Amino acid sequence: DQQVKQNSPSLSVQEGRISILNCDYTNSMFDYFLWYKKYPAEGPTFLISISSIKDKNEDGRFTVFLNKSAKHLSLHIVPSQPGDSAVYFCAASVNAGKSTFGDGTTLTVKP
Amino acid sequence: ETGVTQSPTHLIKTRGQQVTLRCSSQSGHNTVSWYQQALGQGPQFIFQYYREEENGRGNFPPRFSGLQFPNYSSELNVNALELDDSALYLCASSLLASGGGEQFFGPGTRLTVL
Repeated sequence: DQQVKQNSPSLSVQEGRISILNCDYTNSMFDYFLWYKKYPAEGPTFLISISSIKDKNEDGRFTVFLNKSAKHLSLHIVPSQPGDSAVYFCAASVNAGKSTFGDGTTLTVKP
Repeated sequence: ETGVTQSPTHLIKTRGQQVTLRCSSQSGHNTVSWYQQALGQGPQFIFQYYREEENGRGNFPPRFSGLQFPNYSSELNVNALELDDSALYLCASSLLASGGGEQFFGPGTRLTVL
């Protein structure tokens, strides 16, 4: 029973274009959603988060959208840069407790 | 400000042995969580410690145990190692009261069980 799903294992985009990474969840108790980025041989790095009381959060080139009725969130990266190439994990938590992670999407940004 | 560190980086053990992995939290963080990441999967929550007490546990058997020390560093112990325990073990520190629980991860310990 995977409560957080990232259905696209990989995504390839051209430098300068938009990258859209998607995530679905099943547990309606989740009240906080996070995105992490992971480079090889490093631990995940926190990128951006959103509370369930909001539907959008923006930080520079990164925007996260939350659609609670659809139990879906997405991460938009505009414009995409080659340095954004990494594995992106979606995670969700209840009351700042344990985080439940998806299996990740590998983003490749081509120069 | 020092980040989260883990030791050792890599470890090879044989089935049935015991292993101890170590983690030093980021300065000022009072909470540490341990995750197991198998190849091609996301991190799976093992347990969390807050001020030296276990504060939540995932679906892992009792042979996975932990400790948190007064300086908030932590250990993960795994007894009776099985082949399926081969994975990357990640430690993450955080401030429990900090909003939605952003965590700061260490680079992980790669455990191979033969």
